[in-house]
Amino acid sequence: GENVEQHPSTLSVQEGDSAVIKCTYSDSASNYFPWYKQELGKRPQLIIDIRSNVGEKKDQRIAVTLNKTAKHFSLHITETQPEDSAVYFCAANSGGSNYKLTFGKGTLLTVNP
Amino acid sequence: DGGITQSPKYLFRKEGQNVTLSCEQNLNHDAMYWYRQDPGQGLRLIYYSQIVNDFQKGDIAEGYSVSREKKESFPLTVTSAQKNPTAFYLCASPSPGRGTEAFFGQGTRLTVV
Repeated sequence: GENVEQHPSTLSVQEGDSAVIKCTYSDSASNYFPWYKQELGKRPQLIIDIRSNVGEKKDQRIAVTLNKTAKHFSLHITETQPEDSAVYFCAANSGGSNYKLTFGKGTLLTVNP
Repeated sequence: DGGITQSPKYLFRKEGQNVTLSCEQNLNHDAMYWYRQDPGQGLRLIYYSQIVNDFQKGDIAEGYSVSREKKESFPLTVTSAQKNPTAFYLCASPSPGRGTEAFFGQGTRLTVV
């Protein structure tokens, strides 16, 4: 089955700095890679996703890059703000399934004012 | 709220008792999933169902059971065989029209007392 590794487990940055979270996956059939943000006590919410037919996707201050050869993908947040503080999860679909996601263990991002 | 309703939000169970967590969706989605979330562990898949009257075990199915008699409902029973049931449980239902974006319910926090 799919195995998703996520690093770092915690990340602390100063407001305005950039933050990068990295994930690797094992299943070469995976073709969908979403990122979720979870605030304390709340449900995970999708913030950005990427499919294997593109190498980069950007949405305002958030971008995701994908390297299929190396089987890794990364989340980049620029100009961080205190409200970006949350736990971020990467995920990859398993065995090419349209629906089954395997999640990384999460990164606690703290943005210090 | 994404059309996925989980109830109750908080649940307390005595050791040795079975308890059922509710998940209802009005999105007309075929697929529904149950995840368990523990601190530092990310989201782990318990069971999933891709169509009515069919479901498959996920990565940590032991001590849990599900049913899928209706498209809208996918209840999860935590049995007494689950040795460490205290956790945050999330129900999800991917959107077929938008790829595999998974809509999550608000979650149920189960505590064994």
